[in-house]
Amino acid sequence: DAGVTQSPTHLIKTRGQQVTLRCSPKSGHDTVSWYQQALGQGPQFIFQYYEEEERQRGNFPDRFSGHQFPNYSSELNVNALLLGDSALYLCASSFQGVTEAFFGQGTRLTVV
Amino acid sequence: DQQVKQNSPSLSVQEGRISILNCDYTNSMFDYFLWYKKYPAEGPTFLISISSIKDKNEDGRFTVFLNKSAKHLSLHIVPSQPGDSAVYFCAASDETSGSRLTFGEGTQLTVNP
Repeated sequence: DAGVTQSPTHLIKTRGQQVTLRCSPKSGHDTVSWYQQALGQGPQFIFQYYEEEERQRGNFPDRFSGHQFPNYSSELNVNALLLGDSALYLCASSFQGVTEAFFGQGTRLTVV
Repeated sequence: DQQVKQNSPSLSVQEGRISILNCDYTNSMFDYFLWYKKYPAEGPTFLISISSIKDKNEDGRFTVFLNKSAKHLSLHIVPSQPGDSAVYFCAASDETSGSRLTFGEGTQLTVNP
């Protein structure tokens, strides 16, 4: 049983560009959440998708957007990249209504 | 506004001894608490959780204690093993947020052989 998988594992982008990160949830899970983890900090909640809709959103600007597909996989899009967007982006999946979430290995985004 | 705080960035213990990691929270709406372990280049791995209706939950070498009046929880690992060396994150959620987790900053645990 594959766990949560994210792609790519590493990415380097230039300031002002756009980026798309991808996540496949653990088999059977229907809810996907995205987190940003800056260096030396804990993960910060970006948003959560369930039934292809954004259900909850953290304190992140509209430059951060997402999508969930019918197979429950998800994308995180970030527009107009800033240097401060450099971080580890983590995807977590869960069953709707269950608190315990399973995380992928993350995508390390570097903005130069 | 840091609603979940882990005030110790690092902790070093000897193999076989007890490791105690601490976490404080400020949001009284939090009713479910989790601990995650993270190795370098990996995502966080769920370790153990506790509901606010309990004050203790045990799973093998890992025990989590919750003191609601003090808004404090702790993770005890006994005996500690070198493989336990990792960053430990405390996380919290409330009834309305479900699997939306609020994390602390993490504590780097080093278990020395």
